[in-house]
Amino acid sequence: AQSVTQLDSQVPVFEEAPVELRCNYSSSVSVYLFWYVQYPNQGLQLLLKYLSGSTLVKGINGFEAEFNKSQTSFHLRKPSVHISDTAEYFCAVTGTGGGADGLTFGKGTHLIIQP
Amino acid sequence: NAGVTQTPKFQVLKTGQSMTLQCAQDMNHEYMSWYRQDPGMGLRLIHYSVGAGITDQGEVPNGYNVSRSTTEDFPLRLLSAAPSQTSVYFCASSKQGLEADTQYFGPGTRLTVL
Repeated sequence: AQSVTQLDSQVPVFEEAPVELRCNYSSSVSVYLFWYVQYPNQGLQLLLKYLSGSTLVKGINGFEAEFNKSQTSFHLRKPSVHISDTAEYFCAVTGTGGGADGLTFGKGTHLIIQP
Repeated sequence: NAGVTQTPKFQVLKTGQSMTLQCAQDMNHEYMSWYRQDPGMGLRLIHYSVGAGITDQGEVPNGYNVSRSTTEDFPLRLLSAAPSQTSVYFCASSKQGLEADTQYFGPGTRLTVL
């Protein structure tokens, strides 16, 4: 079984400033990691994913995340945010062992961009 | 491709009523799943299916039934709705084993049980 902790429920940041959304996970097995974004009144859209290889993963809309196995973290970053980045961001994890038991999500971080 | 579609978008039920939330995908994905989203809780897996005729329970299956008679459709049934089932429900699908593929989410169904 896995669990995901998103330490911040809300992150306010000024437009054009950098942002980091934190995600830590717990698992007894190797994992794949994901970040999803949910814009108001919409479904979830995949931002990026880590399956294997380079620990720095680049996604859509200028976001990137770094997998740190020793710290069991997968923090999401963007060097300069825009008003349109206002959304809910979810970190998710699943085991690599072949079980089809779905994604385990964190509780989400609401990114609030201030002009 | 329409992707993952869900109907209805909104629904209000009275306690004890039954209903079916519809989910369909036109991407020939084997894997389909249902999640519910509650404030401050993230998304939690209700049921999933790895192919036609095969379903299994997720984290919060109580009060819900599913079936998978075709690859395209994965309906979620509430047999006797309860206020605790007020939530936003998302259906998702992916091409093969979950771990390596992107899951595509539908737009959601917002359900209120009075």
